[in-house]
Amino acid sequence: EDQVTQSPEALRLQEGESSSLNCSYTVSGLRGLFWYRQDPGKGPEFLFTLYSAGEEKEKERLKATLTKKESFLHITAPKPEDSATYLCAVRSASGGSYIPTFGRGTSLIVHP
Amino acid sequence: DTEVTQTPKHLVMGMTNKKSLKCEQHMGHRAMYWYKQKAKKPPELMFVYSYEKLSINESVPSRFSPECPNSSLLNLHLHALQPEDSALYLCASRGSIDGTDTQYFGPGTRLTVL
Repeated sequence: EDQVTQSPEALRLQEGESSSLNCSYTVSGLRGLFWYRQDPGKGPEFLFTLYSAGEEKEKERLKATLTKKESFLHITAPKPEDSATYLCAVRSASGGSYIPTFGRGTSLIVHP
Repeated sequence: DTEVTQTPKHLVMGMTNKKSLKCEQHMGHRAMYWYKQKAKKPPELMFVYSYEKLSINESVPSRFSPECPNSSLLNLHLHALQPEDSALYLCASRGSIDGTDTQYFGPGTRLTVL
């Protein structure tokens, strides 16, 4: 059974204080790791897809990296508008369907 | 364009009402999903449609009835719901954009059952 664990559960930062969110996973054959941002009461907004260890992707202040056991979402010099819940999900090779397993998310608050 | 639209944004209904949620995408994706999300929890899969056929039903109660009239539309018909069904209902479609095979979510429908 695929497992995804995100840490920390909640994170408070000062504006400009860089940090990283962690997503640890256990899957039988990774077929994709996904990062989403979700604002309260809204649907998850797609950020990145990573497929293989060593892969990195960047978007504005966000950078996602992937190893064989975990992924990090690095936030550089965050701003208050980066406050949201960040969800990690994985898709494995088990079964034939595209059913991602989601982590419980990290709630990020950036104070001005 | 990676837009998935959902209507209505908010819905309040009584336990005896019948209502429907609508989802639409024009990205040419052939897989569409319904999820239910409670506060501070991850999305919970309800149904999957693949090429307009129901491929997965995660043991969802029959008071939820999905429908896929065509490749762009997905409906969720609601009848005799319970207060515990109050949640954010999310639609997603899956497809390949820029070489990545990814789910894209709609903004959700906030459902309140009185």
